[in-house]
Amino acid sequence: KNEVEQSPQNLTAQEGEFITINCSYSVGISALHWLQQHPGGGIVSLFMLSSGKKKHGRLIATINIQEKHSSLHITASHPRDSAVYICAVPRSGNQFYFGTGTSLTVIP
Amino acid sequence: NAGVTQTPKFQVLKTGQSMTLQCAQDMNHEYMSWYRQDPGMGLRLIHYSVGAGITDQGEVPNGYNVSRSTTEDFPLRLLSAAPSQTSVYFCASIGGRGTEAFFGQGTRLTVV
Repeated sequence: KNEVEQSPQNLTAQEGEFITINCSYSVGISALHWLQQHPGGGIVSLFMLSSGKKKHGRLIATINIQEKHSSLHITASHPRDSAVYICAVPRSGNQFYFGTGTSLTVIP
Repeated sequence: NAGVTQTPKFQVLKTGQSMTLQCAQDMNHEYMSWYRQDPGMGLRLIHYSVGAGITDQGEVPNGYNVSRSTTEDFPLRLLSAAPSQTSVYFCASIGGRGTEAFFGQGTRLTVV
């Protein structure tokens, strides 16, 4: 069983659509990261959440600690949002449990 | 990715060759890690370090060596490359008890 489960695995959307990516985890955490990886690119941390909601431009991340669930929302999606989005939760030794990622393609 | 420099970005090796992937950070983080990323498997931990002079194995350490002589640098060595080591490798620098996470740009390695 994976400690971090993401859904969906793959997602295709039309430009302008509202997108939601979900992450469920089974371990107790102090924080959760949403990471972004563009094709052929590096990994960037978009958000670090410990409670509630954070917003950065068209990206919104929410977390429910009691339900062990987080969502990443993208409003008014754009082709440049096409990337793999990865959920990560810290574990002992400052390492991470990673989800397997959601591959998002936004079509013009 | 401010703070983490990883090189090279691309590399092709022949089976049996050795090489070193370089990783450096300037954030004074104690924790650094190396991951490999394979299709359908996500990021898997190869080796990690909790400070200068201290390293330990992760989930998939075989065929790799690391050392941490300074806080800044954490190189990954492939001793005798095998096709199974074809992958994308990421170095990570972690701070704030997991609340700060910075990754290198990745190294796309092909072993033929």
